[in-house]
Amino acid sequence: GAVVSQHPSWVICKSGTSVKIECRSLDFQATTMFWYRQFPKQSLMLMATSNEGSKATYEQGVEKDKFLINHASLTLSTLTVTSAHPEDSSFYICSAARDRNSYEQYFGPGTRLTVT
Amino acid sequence: EDQVTQSPEALRLQEGESSSLNCSYTVSGLRGLFWYRQDPGKGPEFLFTLYSAGEEKEKERLKATLTKKESFLHITAPKPEDSATYLCALRMNTGFQKLVFGTGTRLLVSP
Repeated sequence: GAVVSQHPSWVICKSGTSVKIECRSLDFQATTMFWYRQFPKQSLMLMATSNEGSKATYEQGVEKDKFLINHASLTLSTLTVTSAHPEDSSFYICSAARDRNSYEQYFGPGTRLTVT
Repeated sequence: EDQVTQSPEALRLQEGESSSLNCSYTVSGLRGLFWYRQDPGKGPEFLFTLYSAGEEKEKERLKATLTKKESFLHITAPKPEDSATYLCALRMNTGFQKLVFGTGTRLLVSP
């Protein structure tokens, strides 16, 4: 149990376009989902926390108008990178927790975004 | 300021050569320390959670321990398939469920 999927697994887009990444909890309901970004040979950096039915909480330095997060259901959260630029190229990973008090997060396999 | 530091940054071992990875931290309120394994191009895979000093957990060739200032991941008689990046992460007392990750240790086990 506790499987999290992401789609797509990799995407290439042109500079200035937008791209949407989906994160799904397949066998459990996730009240809270998290979005991380990981640059090569660096660790995971939390971008934002989303709770089902409410606005996402963004970490300091993350532009909420550029990285749109929607958590419309208990099994789906989406991250949209708007007006993407080459510096947005990175590995985006989501995780999901069963509820606000749950200690464990289950991670998705990640999405490799390349902006040309 | 809350900080998580992992060492060494990279480690090369021969198959069967046991060693330890370190995760040291300074936090104002710890609500759990997590160890993850990450393979290239994949998301982190959960290994252990430790909650209090003195706690130990084992899984196959891995053993995680925790003190008030650091955690160790001991690898006994490693095999090439243990090659991966090992990440530690801390859950803070504030910002519910928020995990702060260390920079990881890249482990390479040669046959």
